[in-house]
Amino acid sequence: KNQVEQSPQSLIILEGKNCTLQCNYTVSPFSNLRWYKQDTGRGPVSLTIMTFSENTKSNGRYTATLDADTKQSSLHITASQLSDSASYICVVSDRGSTLGRLYFGRGTQLTVWP
Amino acid sequence: EADIYQTPRYLVIGTGKKITLECSQTMGHDKMYWYQQDPGMELHLIHYSYGVNSTEKGDLSSESTVSRIRTEHFPLTLESARPSHTSQYLCASSERGSGISNTQYFGPGTRLTVL
Repeated sequence: KNQVEQSPQSLIILEGKNCTLQCNYTVSPFSNLRWYKQDTGRGPVSLTIMTFSENTKSNGRYTATLDADTKQSSLHITASQLSDSASYICVVSDRGSTLGRLYFGRGTQLTVWP
Repeated sequence: EADIYQTPRYLVIGTGKKITLECSQTMGHDKMYWYQQDPGMELHLIHYSYGVNSTEKGDLSSESTVSRIRTEHFPLTLESARPSHTSQYLCASSERGSGISNTQYFGPGTRLTVL
């Protein structure tokens, strides 16, 4: 069964600190992996996207890693800001259909305190 | 910021009412999607469309229906709302291709509450 598991479920950090969010998946055949940021009451916004051959992708203070062998990804946030408070969702796409089926994790709820 | 819009943003309605959630995108995307999301849970695909006059049911069974008469417009209708329909509904769109070009752009969502 294709699944995406994220940890931790929630995380509280102080402003300026770094943090790392984890994503494990069993989706096969794998096409790509995305990290989305979803602010409360808003739709998800894409942060990074990585294909099978990419190990690291950065977007400002966000750095995503991918280990396609172990089927694990992480999202590292550097020097956190209050505006980073949101849910971070790992989304894996399979290669087996023209729809490009997406499998969503439940997200990690990050809260940044001043 | 993606050019995809949803109205209304919030809706509180009584049981048995008919409602239509609107979704429009100005990016010329062929594919459009409707997701349902409960608090703390993953998004579930309930409907999708490859293009005009194409509609398909998603993974999660839903009593709602959709239509795609124009490329930019993908409304979702509930004929008779029930409290179990209370949820957040997210609309998304993507380009025709697959792989990386299949990045989905999401609207802000409609928070529906059925009393």
